[in-house]
Amino acid sequence: KQEVTQIPAALSVPEGENLVLNCSFTDSAIYNLQWFRQDPGKGLTSLLLIQSSQREQTSGRLNASLDKSSGRSTLYIAASQPGDSATYLCAAINTGTASKLTFGTGTRLQVTL
Amino acid sequence: KAGVTQTPRYLIKTRGQQVTLSCSPISGHRSVSWYQQTPGQGLQFLFEYFSETQRNKGNFPGRFSGRQFSNSRSEMNVSTLELGDSALYLCASSLVTLAGERDTQYFGPGTRLTVL
Repeated sequence: KQEVTQIPAALSVPEGENLVLNCSFTDSAIYNLQWFRQDPGKGLTSLLLIQSSQREQTSGRLNASLDKSSGRSTLYIAASQPGDSATYLCAAINTGTASKLTFGTGTRLQVTL
Repeated sequence: KAGVTQTPRYLIKTRGQQVTLSCSPISGHRSVSWYQQTPGQGLQFLFEYFSETQRNKGNFPGRFSGRQFSNSRSEMNVSTLELGDSALYLCASSLVTLAGERDTQYFGPGTRLTVL
């Protein structure tokens, strides 16, 4: 059974700082891993999806990496802004022909002025 | 292209009642999945529908059921509501390739259900 862990649970950084969010998964036989952002009381916004054959994906100031052998993924946010404040969730999917995402508990990020 | 829409956005029910939630996927997306989000359990997979058939099911009691229509719109039903069913219910849609592989999942804004 896949289990996904995110550390830290909460993080506060000053504006402009680069930061890394961590995601660990127990079953390395994943099909892909997806990073999401959730604002309070809202749905999830997809940020990046990394296929199991890829090592990283980039979108703007975001870069996500995947290391299946160690069961880890990281989300790197460059030059953080107050608008980046949200909860970040990673989710693993083990089978390409099924949509079941196994989510981590999230990292709540606050970027201060 | 319009995103995933969910109705209603907020719902208040009492214990023992039943409720139906609706989800309209992104045009062209045939896979619809449902998730429950609570502070204690986080996000948990309920079930997935594809081509009007339930393809996968999470570990929830039979009180939770769903269906999908020919236009890919999906409904989720919860019968005999319990206080613990209070949660944010999210649906997600995705494209499915000819090989049956699911692409990126896109989530709707959710339905906030409160059971009193």
